[in-house]
This record gives sequence, C-alpha cells and structure tokens, in this order.
Amino acid sequence: EAQVTQNPRYLITVTGKKLTVTCSQNMNHEYMSWYRQDPGLGLRQIYYSMNVEVTDKGDVPEGYKVSRKEKRNFPLILESPSPNQTSLYFCASSRQGGSYNEQFFGPGTRLTVL
Amino acid sequence: DQQVKQNSPSLSVQEGRISILNCDYTNSMFDYFLWYKKYPAEGPTFLISISSIKDKNEDGRFTVFLNKSAKHLSLHIVPSQPGDSAVYFCAASAVWGGTSYGKLTFGQGTILTVHP
Repeated sequence: EAQVTQNPRYLITVTGKKLTVTCSQNMNHEYMSWYRQDPGLGLRQIYYSMNVEVTDKGDVPEGYKVSRKEKRNFPLILESPSPNQTSLYFCASSRQGGSYNEQFFGPGTRLTVL
Repeated sequence: DQQVKQNSPSLSVQEGRISILNCDYTNSMFDYFLWYKKYPAEGPTFLISISSIKDKNEDGRFTVFLNKSAKHLSLHIVPSQPGDSAVYFCAASAVWGGTSYGKLTFGQGTILTVHP
C-alpha cells in the first residue's frame, strides 16, 4: 500500500529536550515536505526536499532541522523544543514533475512542548 | 503575509444542496491550484486541482473555478453529502520548468458541515 508514515503519532515533551519525528514514504517520491498546522493559520511549510541531500527552507523554518540522507526518509529534528512549537505536524511527499504537485500526506504527529 | 486566504472559517449546508468554498490569493506567480480535504485525525488528501491556463475543472460532484483576474478560486460540491463534512484547504504553487519543486502554500482552511 502506497503511504507516508510518521512516528510518533503523539508526543509530549519538555522545553529543551531534543526530539526527532520520523517520516518515511514507499512511493519512491523525489519531493518531501514538512508542515505544521495551527488554528487559524492553516498548513505552513517548514522545510522541503527536492531529492537526497537537497533541502530548502519553507515559510516557518526557525527552530527546526531536517536531513535527507535516503530517498524514502525525511526526519524532522527539534534541537531545543519550545512551547510555541506545540502543533500538529504533517509530512508529505510527491513525485518530481508530478501532476501538478499532488502531495501525499502522512497521518500527522501531535506534539506538545511543556 | 498570508498569500493564500480562505476568509470563511466555516460553512454549513443542507444535504443535497450546493457547497461553495472560496479562496483568494495575492501572489501572481502562482499558476497551479489544489484543494485538499481533511478529516479529523487524518492527513489531508488531494481532492481536485486546476492549472492557471484553465478556468474550470470538474471531477464528479466537485468543480473548481479559477478567476485569474480576480485572483480567486472556488470549489463547488453538488450535491453535498454528510460524508463531505471535513476541513477543506486551498493550496497554490508556482511552477518552473514543469515542476513546483515541492513548494505549496496553503490557506487557513474552511470547516464544511453538511447536515442530513
């Protein structure tokens, strides 16, 4: 089954404790992205990747890091989480030149930073 | 600076009637537009899209209209069904050389409720 998986689905942590949210896709897609969803703000892109070792900042990259060492994986790293990073996070993937950038989304990770 | 705006946070319609969801954008470089649907506890799923060279695209009960001069698009659902109740996001991308390089800009979303 074609899918994007994220782990964990739910996470409660404390300020300053480094964490990683994993994302994996099995569709051999070149493009992958991370978004956060906040009430009244919709989905905002954090980082995106065009292929292995190629990443770029989205609209809200501050406080986040990413890496793309393998085509299927695109982890999101919060080196020192803060309460304003409490949010619902989505990973997405799409194929290069793909119809029109139809992105496939994971189920989401709800993060709470205390 | 919100480049894609959905000014109606919510919309309530009766089953069988038409639902019209609206979206405005400010960036004239956007040339591809998409609608996503999101149920609680799930990721958004692609619904329908339209290229800027068209003004209408239809897929079953769903039709998207694009008015480039007004920088406005709308999603029509006819007839609306209770299963359509979800959050609908409008999204836009700018395409260079046939690809958008994975960059999408989303609106705030509109909660659609269809009453039986």
